[in-house]
Amino acid sequence: EDQVTQSPEALRLQEGESSSLNCSYTVSGLRGLFWYRQDPGKGPEFLFTLYSAGEEKEKERLKATLTKKESFLHITAPKPEDSATYLCAVQAMGGNKLVFGAGTILRVKS
Amino acid sequence: EAQVTQNPRYLITVTGKKLTVTCSQNMNHEYMSWYRQDPGLGLRQIYYSMNVEVTDKGDVPEGYKVSRKEKRNFPLILESPSPNQTSLYFCASSILGNEQFFGPGTRLTVL
Repeated sequence: EDQVTQSPEALRLQEGESSSLNCSYTVSGLRGLFWYRQDPGKGPEFLFTLYSAGEEKEKERLKATLTKKESFLHITAPKPEDSATYLCAVQAMGGNKLVFGAGTILRVKS
Repeated sequence: EAQVTQNPRYLITVTGKKLTVTCSQNMNHEYMSWYRQDPGLGLRQIYYSMNVEVTDKGDVPEGYKVSRKEKRNFPLILESPSPNQTSLYFCASSILGNEQFFGPGTRLTVL
């Protein structure tokens, strides 16, 4: 069974304090690993897709990396507007289904 | 504007009263899916559709029905809602194999 575990459950940072979120996964043949951002009361917003170990993608202060067992979302010099829940999901080969982790709630204080 | 829309956004109902949550996308996506989101459990797939007239169960299909008569629409039907179906529901769509685009969510309370 495909599984995704995210850690920590919650993270509080000061503005400018860089950190990383972890997404560990088990999947029967990875087609893609997805990162989403979710603001309170809204639907998840797509951030990145990673397809193979060693791949990295960046967007503003966010950088996602992938190994064969986990993915990291690195946040460099975060700002209060980066506060959100970050969701990780995997998609197995041969299907379109996304299996989500429970998410990491990030709070950035000024 | 490319988007997924859901209606209603908020709904309070009583046990056993049939309801439908509508979902529509304007991106001509083949794939559509329904999820429910509960605290600590993350997003779990209820049903999905690979194309018109093609639907299949996700991980938590009990108590739900869907239909896909048109490519753009994918309604979620609760024939006899129960309190354990109180949740936040999201519809999503995508090109097969690509990232999914989510609607704004429907918060359902069943009393």
